[in-house]
Order: sequence, then C-alpha cells, then structure tokens
Amino acid sequence: DAMVIQNPRYQVTQFGKPVTLSCSQTLNHNVMYWYQQKSSQAPKLLFHYYDKDFNNEADTPDNFQSRRPNTSFCFLDIRSPGLGDAAMYLCATSRRGGDYEQYFGPGTRLTVT
Amino acid sequence: GQNIDQPTEMTATEGAIVQINCTYQTSGFNGLFWYQQHAGEAPTFLSYNVLDGLEEKGRFSSFLSRSKGYSYLLLKELQMKDSASYLCAVHNNAGNMLTFGGGTRLMVKP
Repeated sequence: DAMVIQNPRYQVTQFGKPVTLSCSQTLNHNVMYWYQQKSSQAPKLLFHYYDKDFNNEADTPDNFQSRRPNTSFCFLDIRSPGLGDAAMYLCATSRRGGDYEQYFGPGTRLTVT
Repeated sequence: GQNIDQPTEMTATEGAIVQINCTYQTSGFNGLFWYQQHAGEAPTFLSYNVLDGLEEKGRFSSFLSRSKGYSYLLLKELQMKDSASYLCAVHNNAGNMLTFGGGTRLMVKP
C-alpha cells in the first residue's frame, strides 16, 4: 500500500562523510520534491523535479544535490554533511504542479556526529 | 516574496471547537493547502481551497478569503488524536512548489 517510500528512516553519518537518502513512489506522479524540516519549523523546499526537469531553490546550498534516474526514484545526496544539516528530510510527490495535493513519505531523520 | 503567518501554539479541550488562522501575502495566489503533521511523522493532506468560502469535510472545515489573504482551519468535536501541527501552505503561479507556514502546534487536553 505504501505510496511514497523513504529509506532509511533513520540515518547517522559523520561530519563531512557523504550520505545519500532515497525516495521511491508507486503513484507514477510527475513531480518529486525534497524538503528539509528542522525541529518545530516548516518544511523547507530544497529542490524538485518535474519529470526530468530539475528545479533548484535559490537558497539551497551547493552541498545538496539530487538525482532522478527514472519516474519512480529520486535521491538526495549530501556531499559533506555539517552539524547544521541534521534534520528530517521529507520526499513528496504530486501528479502535476503545485495545485495538486502532495503525498509525503515518512521522512528520513538524519543525524550528523 | 511570500509571507505566511500562523500562531505558533494553541491549546483546546477535547470535544470543543478550535479555529486555526493563517494569513498570507503573496503575488499570483493560486490556492491554499492545509496539512496535518503528527510529531515525527510526515504531513498529510487535509484540504485545498482555491475559491472564497468554506469547504467542509467531516469534522474539519477550511475557509478562504482571497481578498483578505486569510484562511482558517476549523476543527470540531476535538479528539485527543487531533493533537498535531497544522501547516498552511500557499501555492502561487510562479511554479510547481508550495510555501509552507511555520505551523501551529495544537494540544488537545482531556
């Protein structure tokens, strides 16, 4: 039944050690989003893909990269995690653009030691 | 830019009614979403308003006034499980994304 799947649910990495978070969807939606959410704050959009078109938010650090090899999968790569990157990372999908409901995955909680 | 304001926290009693307000300033407004997020979990969709007026969905209703840049989420017959954060999110015609407000953490007391 799971529609948006994120692995792993919890990830611990060391300061400066690259880490990849993954997201997959069974909804065949066109758009996939990555959000960063810190404690008691709103989700902050990092980037999104509309099909293969990549859209980066202006204030997303270069340290964050993304790949979408096919419709179903999307990856978030953090090249050199800092302590400030510890957060919940949420993947979401929508059928088309912003006026369509977004379906969120359960999130990956990243800890940086 | 966009500006979205919600109260940070609210407390209400089980069985009561609570109204969570959201005001926004944005150009090219398309619509407004409400999401519910339980602690440590992902947001889940509650409602989407495009036109002015009230949309009712069971115990939850959402209202929009485009001219006033204002929305509210009304929760009736509160249950303990309604304790969560409620996020309003604005979609404007600049692209495919939403801008989320900071969320209102609702605590329901017995």
